[in-house]
Amino acid sequence: GAGVSQTPSNKVTEKGKYVELRCDPISGHTALYWYRQSLGQGPEFLIYFQGTGAADDSGLPNDRFFAVRPEGSVSTLKIQRTERGDSAVYLCASSPRGAEQFFGPGTRLTVL
Amino acid sequence: EDQVTQSPEALRLQEGESSSLNCSYTVSGLRGLFWYRQDPGKGPEFLFTLYSAGEEKEKERLKATLTKKESFLHITAPKPEDSATYLCAVRDNNAGNMLTFGGGTRLMVKP
Repeated sequence: GAGVSQTPSNKVTEKGKYVELRCDPISGHTALYWYRQSLGQGPEFLIYFQGTGAADDSGLPNDRFFAVRPEGSVSTLKIQRTERGDSAVYLCASSPRGAEQFFGPGTRLTVL
Repeated sequence: EDQVTQSPEALRLQEGESSSLNCSYTVSGLRGLFWYRQDPGKGPEFLFTLYSAGEEKEKERLKATLTKKESFLHITAPKPEDSATYLCAVRDNNAGNMLTFGGGTRLMVKP
């Protein structure tokens, strides 16, 4: 089957704008994760969903960041009032409950 | 707080020159150590999971081993296509299902 897909692959926006990043997990995977990766660094955890609910959002840097997964499948990461420091690759991963996480290709966000 | 440190940051090998990458970790209770491979512009690709000290996993030219404080990724007779960044991550008993990653080792294998 298909792997994790993320759209768009690239997003360029201006400081202060609102952006939405989408993740389609592997079919049947109940757990979904968002990570953020800056150049030359490992991914950093943002938020984890088990089903429709956010089981752990301790990695969200501030209240400008929000994520939803209304039907337990597709997830959207929303960033309000973007700042230049938000520029990074946003990675989504999914897994069967408690197992290995499989990553998508990421969305490269550039805030000008 | 969980910590994962990978060394070296970068490694250049000649084709066929075997070597090892190191991942040192600090967790309150290990619930899995994971190795991923990441090619430029792509997401991490899962390689191995190790759960307990003494465990080993192999896949083609790669072998991962685990002790109570570190993991090694051994690369035997590497080929240019093994060039990538190798990431190590841990899952902690007290931190839910999140992974804590190291900074990665950038491996370049020259023909």
